[in-house]
Amino acid sequence: GQQVMQIPQYQHVQEGEDFTTYCNSSTTLSNIQWYKQRPGGHPVFLIQLVKSGEVKKQKRLTFQFGEAKKNSSLHITATQTTDVGTYFCAGRSPPGTYKYIFGTGTRLKVLA
Amino acid sequence: KAGVTQTPRYLIKTRGQQVTLSCSPISGHRSVSWYQQTPGQGLQFLFEYFSETQRNKGNFPGRFSGRQFSNSRSEMNVSTLELGDSALYLCASSLDWGFQPQHFGDGTRLSIL
Repeated sequence: GQQVMQIPQYQHVQEGEDFTTYCNSSTTLSNIQWYKQRPGGHPVFLIQLVKSGEVKKQKRLTFQFGEAKKNSSLHITATQTTDVGTYFCAGRSPPGTYKYIFGTGTRLKVLA
Repeated sequence: KAGVTQTPRYLIKTRGQQVTLSCSPISGHRSVSWYQQTPGQGLQFLFEYFSETQRNKGNFPGRFSGRQFSNSRSEMNVSTLELGDSALYLCASSLDWGFQPQHFGDGTRLSIL
C-alpha cells in the first residue's frame, strides 16, 4: 500500500540552528497537510498545501510541496525550544479518495 | 470555543472485552475522524463520519466500528479486544468531510491487559 516516509526520524539541534524535515510519498498526493504534536499532546494543524511547487511561510516555518506532488518539506529557521515536538505530514491516499495517511513523523529536540 | 472532547482519558481492559470511546467535536464541526496512534505504527486512520454516515474507512478489521449522532458527537467501538489494540485513540473534527484541516482531541489511552 501507499507509504509516506519522513526523514529524519529524529533530529537534535542547538537552539538557533535551522531544521528541515522531508516527507516522501510512494504515490502522488492530491494535497498535503502538516501537523505538530508536542510531547504528551495531540497533533495540531499547521498548514495545507495544494498546488504543485507551492511554498507557504508562517513566521520561521517554510513549507514546500514538490513539483511532482510526491514530496514535501518543512523548514524551521533559527529553532527555539518551543519548536520541540514531532512533525507529521499527512496526505490523501490514494489520490481521489479521502483516506488520510500520516507520515512516520520527525521528532525534533532543541537543546538550549 | 471549546475544543474536541474525548472521554474517557484512560481506560484499562482485558483481552476479549469490548470498549466504547466517545468524542464531542468542536461546535459547528460536522465531520469526525478517528485515529489509532502507537509507537510502532504511528498515526493510522480508522474512519470518518459526516452527517451520521461513514464517509471513509481505513484498513482496520471489522472489530473496529463507529457511529455519529445527529448532534455530530461520535462513538467508536472495539470488540473482542486484543493486546495489540493498546494505543492512544485520537478523535479529530473538521467543518466538512474530506481532506480538511483537523482539530484533534487529547485522546483516550487504552491499555489491554
